Amino acid sequence: EPEVTQTPSHQVTQMGQEVILRCVPISNHLYFYWYRQILGQKVEFLVSFYNNEISEKSEIFDDQFSVERPDGSNFTLKIRSTKLEDSAMYFCASSMPGDEQFFGPGTRLTVL
Amino acid sequence: RKEVEQDPGPFNVPEGATVAFNCTYSNSASQSFFWYRQDCRKEPKLLMSVYSSGNEDGRFTAQLNRASQYISLLIRDSKLSDSATYLCVGTFSGGYNKLIFGAGTRLAVHP
Repeated sequence: EPEVTQTPSHQVTQMGQEVILRCVPISNHLYFYWYRQILGQKVEFLVSFYNNEISEKSEIFDDQFSVERPDGSNFTLKIRSTKLEDSAMYFCASSMPGDEQFFGPGTRLTVL
Repeated sequence: RKEVEQDPGPFNVPEGATVAFNCTYSNSASQSFFWYRQDCRKEPKLLMSVYSSGNEDGRFTAQLNRASQYISLLIRDSKLSDSATYLCVGTFSGGYNKLIFGAGTRLAVHP
């Protein structure tokens, strides 16, 4: 069964460093998403991406964040200068138009 | 006011019990609703979509009341494997974009 994969499973970084979280969406999907979940809190939408551009983003997704689909398979989330409050689980998801979003297993980001 | 609100629980029930979760939403323009299940430190997984006519999938029944802005999930004959956090989720645009999650209701089923 096709699935969304994410790497790494756990990333530890120092405050102020840049991190890139990687996702491989399901191959025929056209919509891609990033969500985050701070420990003990709800899952929050960050951004959706379609046709090589951002289709929607939340207030959380400020100038420190960017997304890219560098090739036909990967979808990345970059945080330019990490803050302590960026520590969270980051989930990638993908979908066909108007269909269920499938989530990856997540990357746990720890900012020290 | 939060867009999607749930009782955080936990609900501690014995195997075989029937348990009901409720959820309210604040945006009357909400389009679609779902129940997701999330196991500890895992990704959310779609349990079922929710329709105004009510829908059933085995031991699970979901109901949407748009007039009251209220969603429910009923689990019959609880199993140990049902222990998880149940997330009430809505969308406010067409289709399945931008899922808005509630904080979740924890269920613990004990022998």
